[in-house]
Parts: sequence; structure tokens; C-alpha cells
Amino acid sequence: DADVTQTPRNRITKTGKRIMLECSQTKGHDRMYWYRQDPGLGLQLIYYSFDVKDINKGEISDGYSVSRQAQAKFSLSLESAIPNQTALYFCATSDPGQGKKETQYFGPGTRLLVL
Amino acid sequence: DQQVKQNSPSLSVQEGRISILNCDYTNSMFDYFLWYKKYPAEGPTFLISISSIKDKNEDGRFTVFLNKSAKHLSLHIVPSQPGDSAVYFCAASAYSSASKIIFGSGTRLSIRP
Repeated sequence: DADVTQTPRNRITKTGKRIMLECSQTKGHDRMYWYRQDPGLGLQLIYYSFDVKDINKGEISDGYSVSRQAQAKFSLSLESAIPNQTALYFCATSDPGQGKKETQYFGPGTRLLVL
Repeated sequence: DQQVKQNSPSLSVQEGRISILNCDYTNSMFDYFLWYKKYPAEGPTFLISISSIKDKNEDGRFTVFLNKSAKHLSLHIVPSQPGDSAVYFCAASAYSSASKIIFGSGTRLSIRP
């Protein structure tokens, strides 16, 4: 079973609609992230959370909100979707423990198309 | 302004030869560098990393070289295999914000027979 799962894997929606992307992890990591990938731009950080009570904005948080429902769950919402939010969205987790530099573990991605 | 740059969007290498992927960075605060590999319809997976206190890290067929004075790192794959065909992302982070990783735009590596 995958350690980091994302639902849905694909979604088509219309401009102005509210949409939620969900992420679950079984790795037991405290830290979770949402990224978007656009062609030619790599991955850009939208929001991140270091624990259930901690939410932080990333590079491109405008138009997005998040909810950390539990250690294992981190959801991303587009309150009113617009076409330039069409992208590939990735959730990731990490564990800062033991003084090691962190490695992030990614889910399979959600492909979102906003018409 | 991109802090991590991968200037080659694509690279084609013959099977068995060496693949060299390059990455440049601008932020002198970066002290940890990573390479991720991504197959279609999958999320990126961690490949190899290097701390700024080293100039080389090797893991099997994969070696990462870091040139701090030039703010440049490279990933060498020897020998290249068909399964290495993927998109490779260079990434960097600073100790002060270790969880915030800045990604490059990726290089698509194709290994030809």
C-alpha cells in the first residue's frame, strides 16, 4: 500500500466551483506539504503544516486554503477555482527527527483541470 | 526569480553511457541539496542528497557533485539504463528552513538503446 495517497487522482471542474483535494499518509510523519507543478516551473510550495495545530503559507498560497484534520490528513481547498489553477498537485510528508536532513515523500499527484 | 535552475529541459543519452544532469543555485544560504526522480503519473521520489560540507556523494550508479564556489551541482548516472528515463528535479534547502525545499524546473532524461 502507498504511504502517501491523494484523492481524487484526476478532476475536472468549472470556474467558480469549490473543490477539495485530500491527502492521507501512513508514514506517521508530522510534517505535510502541498505543492503544485506547472510545465517548466518545477514544484512550488502552496502550504505546509508541521503539526496538527500549525499551518504556514508557502510561495503561492493565494486562492488556496488548507485544513489539517489529523496528523495523517491534510486537505487543500480551492474556494473558487479559476483556469490558471489548472495544474498537477502533489502532497508530501517529512520527518525532521534525529537531526538528519529531511527528505520529503510525495503522493502520486492529482491532475486538476479548471474549465 | 528562480533560486534553483535546471537550464536543460531535456537530455538524451545512449544506454550504457554516462548521464550528467546539471543544476545551478543562487541562494548562498542553501546548505542541503537533493535530487528527485519522477516517472509519469507518479510523485517525485528521493534519489540522492548532499550536504554543503561535502563535495561528492555516491550511491551505486548515482553520484552527486557539489561546487559551492560556482553554486553548481551535478548528478552523474553511470552506466545509464532504460529505467533511468524520467524527469529529474534538483532541489535545495537552507538550515534555517530545512523543511522548505526549493525545486528546479526539472530535466527530462531519455535513455536510448
